[in-house]
Amino acid sequence: EIVMTQSPATLSVSPGERATLSCRASQSVSSNLAWYQQKPGQAPRLLIYGASTRATGIPARFSGSGSGTEFTLTINSLQSEDFAVYYCQQYNNWPPYTFGQGTKLEIK
Amino acid sequence: QVQLVQSGAEVKKPGASVKVSCKASGYTFTTYGISWVRQAPGQGLEWMGWISAYNGNTNYAQKLQGRVTMTSDTSTSTAYMELRSLRSDDTAVYYCARDQSLIAAAAGYWGQGTLVTVSS
Repeated sequence: EIVMTQSPATLSVSPGERATLSCRASQSVSSNLAWYQQKPGQAPRLLIYGASTRATGIPARFSGSGSGTEFTLTINSLQSEDFAVYYCQQYNNWPPYTFGQGTKLEIK
Repeated sequence: QVQLVQSGAEVKKPGASVKVSCKASGYTFTTYGISWVRQAPGQGLEWMGWISAYNGNTNYAQKLQGRVTMTSDTSTSTAYMELRSLRSDDTAVYYCARDQSLIAAAAGYWGQGTLVTVSS
């Protein structure tokens, strides 16, 4: 089973600043990596798939990069609505398609 | 627009079974696979398995093998997830989610979630 490790567990950033979230896979997942945003009481929302492709309707301030085992989600010019929990998921090897444990992005 | 509408909350006793439904609309049901993901209270996301809505092929998380069955009904565009021998640690919100595309199995569209509570 591929283990996905996200860092940091909690990230405190001021509105208008940039947030950088990391995700590491225990073995290569090629570019088969997705990022999700989840707000309290809501279902997750797909932000990025294929490591760097934004899903429909996702603002350009969200960007993803990386391949193999190291991935990054960058959020520029943080808006109030961006403060949430973010998960990465690999869908290269199954079962299972593992999720990271999440990074909570909070307001500084 | 793509919509996945799940069945309502359930309360079950330990040892019982639960079957959650996920009715799809807004696209051709048989074109995309459906994943099931659960989230225990205050915890992260756990991938449970996947079913092809085209031919019913499934792939389950090893830890749930033998307790979970995923099925689909193409006549009603509905996917189902049944979990048996429920335990207290199966208490969670259960989500269905459709594949983002034919080549990307990321979960692009999600149902609203179904809370399953297991309690004596």
